[in-house]
Amino acid sequence: GAVVSQHPSWVICKSGTSVKIECRSLDFQATTMFWYRQFPKQSLMLMATSNEGSKATYEQGVEKDKFLINHASLTLSTLTVTSAHPEDSSFYICSAREGGSRPYEQYFGPGTRLTVT
Amino acid sequence: AQSVTQLDSHVSVSEGTPVLLRCNYSSSYSPSLFWYVQHPNKGLQLLLKYTSAATLVKGINGFEAEFKKSETSFHLTKPSAHMSDAAEYFCVVGGGNTDKLIFGTGTRLQVFP
Repeated sequence: GAVVSQHPSWVICKSGTSVKIECRSLDFQATTMFWYRQFPKQSLMLMATSNEGSKATYEQGVEKDKFLINHASLTLSTLTVTSAHPEDSSFYICSAREGGSRPYEQYFGPGTRLTVT
Repeated sequence: AQSVTQLDSHVSVSEGTPVLLRCNYSSSYSPSLFWYVQHPNKGLQLLLKYTSAATLVKGINGFEAEFKKSETSFHLTKPSAHMSDAAEYFCVVGGGNTDKLIFGTGTRLQVFP
């Protein structure tokens, strides 16, 4: 149980275009989903927290107009990188928490590698 | 406020020898502490967690960690390294009234034959 998937697993896009990444909880209802970013050989940095049906809460320094997060259902959250640039190339990882679970019980997706050319 | 410091960015061991990955934490609350492993180009896998129960925590694949409040440490150990243990390891702190997890900078474990 507690499986989180991401799609796509990797994507290459041209500079200036937008790309959408999906995060799904496959066997539980995720009231909260988190989006992290990981640069090569670095740690994970939390970008934003989203609760189903509410606007996402972004961490300091993360541009909310550039990284659009939608959490419209209890099993799906999407991250859209708008007007992507090469510096947005990174590994994006989502995690999901089931409603009523302990705050730290997050289940991580396998990640999406974004390359912007 | 919470933070976590992984004292070694890189650890190299020979197969069959013990592994020690060091982690110190800082927390205003009673912390929850975790170790995650990440193999190249893969997602995160939870190795073990401490959530205010037993201070010696056993995880998967023979790993264990001991919560030492007096030393604010949560070091990860394994008696005998295996080649498949080569990966990136993250010490993570959470807890209090927040659901945020704070990741350490990671320790890359290399295992030589």
